[in-house]
Amino acid sequence: DAGVTQSPTHLIKTRGQHVTLRCSPISGHKSVSWYQQVLGQGPQFIFQYYEKEERGRGNFPDRFSARQFPNYSSELNVNALLLGDSALYLCASSSILGRYNEQFFGPGTRLTVL
Amino acid sequence: AQSVAQPEDQVNVAEGNPLTVKCTYSVSGNPYLFWYVQYPNRGLQFLLKYITGDNLVKGSYGFEAEFNKSQTSFHLKKPSALVSDSALYFCAVRDIEVDTGFQKLVFGTGTRLLVSP
Repeated sequence: DAGVTQSPTHLIKTRGQHVTLRCSPISGHKSVSWYQQVLGQGPQFIFQYYEKEERGRGNFPDRFSARQFPNYSSELNVNALLLGDSALYLCASSSILGRYNEQFFGPGTRLTVL
Repeated sequence: AQSVAQPEDQVNVAEGNPLTVKCTYSVSGNPYLFWYVQYPNRGLQFLLKYITGDNLVKGSYGFEAEFNKSQTSFHLKKPSALVSDSALYFCAVRDIEVDTGFQKLVFGTGTRLLVSP
């Protein structure tokens, strides 16, 4: 079975641009979470979606937005990119909302902002 | 808010020796604790979790973790390290928002484990 997939693998943007990152959860999983991992730090929670609704949001500016589609895939959008947005963006899926049996993480998208 | 701390940026151990990666936690209520491992250019892989019950939790790849309530610690251990265990290890705790019941994972800063041949 396929795990969590993310695209693209790597991305280079310049300041002020916007970016869209994509995630496909494990088949049957209805919850998707997004995390930002800056170099040298642990992942920071950005969003969680369940059944296409936002269920939680971390301490990130409004430049960050996300959505979940009927097939449970998800997009993370970041507008007006800043140098500090350079990070590994991780997507995680789980089958049950709010119960951390475990979250399954994708390989991430490495975003570099120049 | 719940938090975890990983006091060591890096741990070095020789292959075959036991390893310990330290984690301490600060929570209100009962802690739900996790360990994840991250290999280069890979996402996080779940190793083990502590929810309740036995203080010694066994996980994947021969790893185990000891929950110590009095010391508020959840150290990751392995009796005999392998070179292939070299990776970045993250401790995490479940954080619950009281008003909404929403839950998320809060991660530590990570510890790099280097196992030498």
